[in-house]
Amino acid sequence: EIVMTQSPATLSVSPGERATLSCRASQSVSSNLAWYQQKPGQAPRLLIYGASTRATGIPARFSGSGSGTEFTLTISSLQSEDFAVYYCQQYNNWPPLFTFGPGTKVDIK
Amino acid sequence: QVQLVQSGAEVKKPGASVKVSCKASGYTFTSYYMHWVRQAPGQGLEWMGIINPSGGSTSYAQKFQGRVTMTRDTSTSTVYMELSSLRSEDTAVYYCARAALIAAAGTSWFDPWGQGTLVTVSS
Repeated sequence: EIVMTQSPATLSVSPGERATLSCRASQSVSSNLAWYQQKPGQAPRLLIYGASTRATGIPARFSGSGSGTEFTLTISSLQSEDFAVYYCQQYNNWPPLFTFGPGTKVDIK
Repeated sequence: QVQLVQSGAEVKKPGASVKVSCKASGYTFTSYYMHWVRQAPGQGLEWMGIINPSGGSTSYAQKFQGRVTMTRDTSTSTVYMELSSLRSEDTAVYYCARAALIAAAGTSWFDPWGQGTLVTVSS
C-alpha cells in the first residue's frame, strides 16, 4: 500500500501571504496526484489533478507541482475563503487502492 | 450539471447494518466508476471501495472486505453502500464520489462528491 504523508499538520498564515503545503508518497505515483480542499461541514472539493492541473473554476492562485514521490500545493496569496483543510490523494494503483494524506489545516495567523 | 445526492443521516445500534444511497444525475450513469469514502469525526479521508455502475463489478479496500457491499440500480442511476456488523468506530460521514475520467477505475481522481451521509453507531 502506498502511504501518503503531508506536512506541516497545521500551517498558520496571514491573509495575503503565500502558503506552501507538502505531500510525500512512500513510492512513486508518477503524476497521479490530486489535491482537495475541505471546509467544515462540507464535502471535499477538487483543486488539482495530475499533480499540476487546476480543476475547472479553481482560481489561479492555487498551483501544484511535483512528480514521483514529492509534491507541493502553493496558494500564492491567501484569501479568507482559503482557510480549510487540504488533502493530497494518489490514484496510481491497480487493483484500485486509493490513499489520502492525513491533511494540512491552513488557519489564520 | 453533474450532481450526486445522498440519503439522509442514520443512527444504528452496534451489530446492525446500514445502507446509504447516492443518486447521480447530469451524466451517463454507466460510464463512470463510483467510489465510497468515509471520514470519522475530526479525522481524514478513508477510501472504502469502487463500483462499476455498468457491470456492477466491485473492488473493496482490504479493511472493509467481508463487511461492505456496493451495488447499483441503473434504472434509477443510484449506487448503494451497505456496511454490516457496525461498531462505534464506524461512526463517520460517508461520501460517494465519482471518478472524474470516463471508464477509469484505478487512474482517476474524484470529482464531484456527494454531500455526505452521517452514520452514527451508538447503543
